[in-house]
Amino acid sequence: DGGITQSPKYLFRKEGQNVTLSCEQNLNHDAMYWYRQDPGQGLRLIYYSQIVNDFQKGDIAEGYSVSREKKESFPLTVTSAQKNPTAFYLCASSARDSNEQFFGPGTRLTVL
Amino acid sequence: QKEVEQDPGPLSVPEGAIVSLNCTYSNSAFQYFMWYRQYSRKGPELLMYTYSSGNKEDGRFTAQVDKSSKYISLFIRDSQPSDSATYLCAMRGSTDSWGKFQFGAGTQVVVTP
Repeated sequence: DGGITQSPKYLFRKEGQNVTLSCEQNLNHDAMYWYRQDPGQGLRLIYYSQIVNDFQKGDIAEGYSVSREKKESFPLTVTSAQKNPTAFYLCASSARDSNEQFFGPGTRLTVL
Repeated sequence: QKEVEQDPGPLSVPEGAIVSLNCTYSNSAFQYFMWYRQYSRKGPELLMYTYSSGNKEDGRFTAQVDKSSKYISLFIRDSQPSDSATYLCAMRGSTDSWGKFQFGAGTQVVVTP
């Protein structure tokens, strides 16, 4: 089955801890994206990567970090510097120059 | 002011009715327009894609773009309870980095049997 997997589905974290969200795709897509979804705000872009070993900040990158060491993987670290980390996090991928993004099932992060 | 505005709803319609959804935007450079459907606690899936102005039809779905009014619409004919979901619009300009879209907040649709 081709697609995007995100793990875990639910994640709980204590304040002050860093946490890493996993995103893997087997669609052979060049580009990968991380979004945050909050009620009433739609999807906001955190980081995106159009090629391995390169990534760009999105609209709300503060308090987050990413790496893109492999084409199929784009992990997101939510650091303790992120002031309001509780949200639904979505990973997506797309082929080069394509307008269609394929989304993973999401990870719901709750900070206790 | 957000670049893309979308009424959050909920929009409740009886089964078989036409669902009418829309987004307004402020950036006249937007050229690529998408509609995504998102079921509860799932990732969005692409429904329709339109470039520039005009209409596009796919089965029960019709997407319209009116660039002069900076307004896009999605119509769902013969709505079914399985159409109950949140519908997100997304758009970008031709000079924006490919894949870097602006999303609306989403409209929740409830189709009642």
